[in-house]
Amino acid sequence: ILNVEQSPQSLHVQEGDSTNFTCSFPSSNFYALHWYRWETAKSPEALFVMTLNGDEKKKGRISATLNTKEGYSYLYIKGSQPEDSATYLCAFKDGNKLVFGAGTILRVKS
Amino acid sequence: DTAVSQTPKYLVTQMGNDKSIKCEQNLGHDTMYWYKQDSKKFLKIMFSYNNKELIINETVPNRFSPKSPDKAHLNLHINSLELGDSAVYFCASSQVLAGGTTDTQYFGPGTRLTVL
Repeated sequence: ILNVEQSPQSLHVQEGDSTNFTCSFPSSNFYALHWYRWETAKSPEALFVMTLNGDEKKKGRISATLNTKEGYSYLYIKGSQPEDSATYLCAFKDGNKLVFGAGTILRVKS
Repeated sequence: DTAVSQTPKYLVTQMGNDKSIKCEQNLGHDTMYWYKQDSKKFLKIMFSYNNKELIINETVPNRFSPKSPDKAHLNLHINSLELGDSAVYFCASSQVLAGGTTDTQYFGPGTRLTVL
């Protein structure tokens, strides 16, 4: 059974803090890793699709890195804002399907 | 303009009934998916269709039957509903890129099914 693990399970930070969390996945047969942002009562929204070892992608204050050899990706948020509060999901591409992690719940207090 | 839409948003029904959830995407994508968000909040793939052809069929009871009348629609029909079917069901779509890799998936708003 393919496991995609995310840590921590949840995170509470103050507005302005920078934060990061981890996604671990199998290091063999790597195709792609996806990051999604999922706000309560909304649908998951794509952040990044990462395919190459050493990839680094950035969207505003959010960035992600990828290490396919050791099987992990980090998501970083610089200067967290209350509107960043959401669940952040990573998903590993296994053949034709995505296998999702359980997510990291981020709460940013103002 | 909603990219991936699902109807209904909420569905409350009795055990034993048959119900359908509809999904439509206007993104021109050729691949569509159904996911179930389980009790632990995991998103788990159920089915995927590419150009109306079934390509993923995970271990899902036979009571669940997807139907794709065209590549913009993927409906989910559930027979003889059970209490354990209560969950949020998400539809998604994506475009297969050159080389056969799949691009980002775009999700619908979800359908919350409650079986009483």
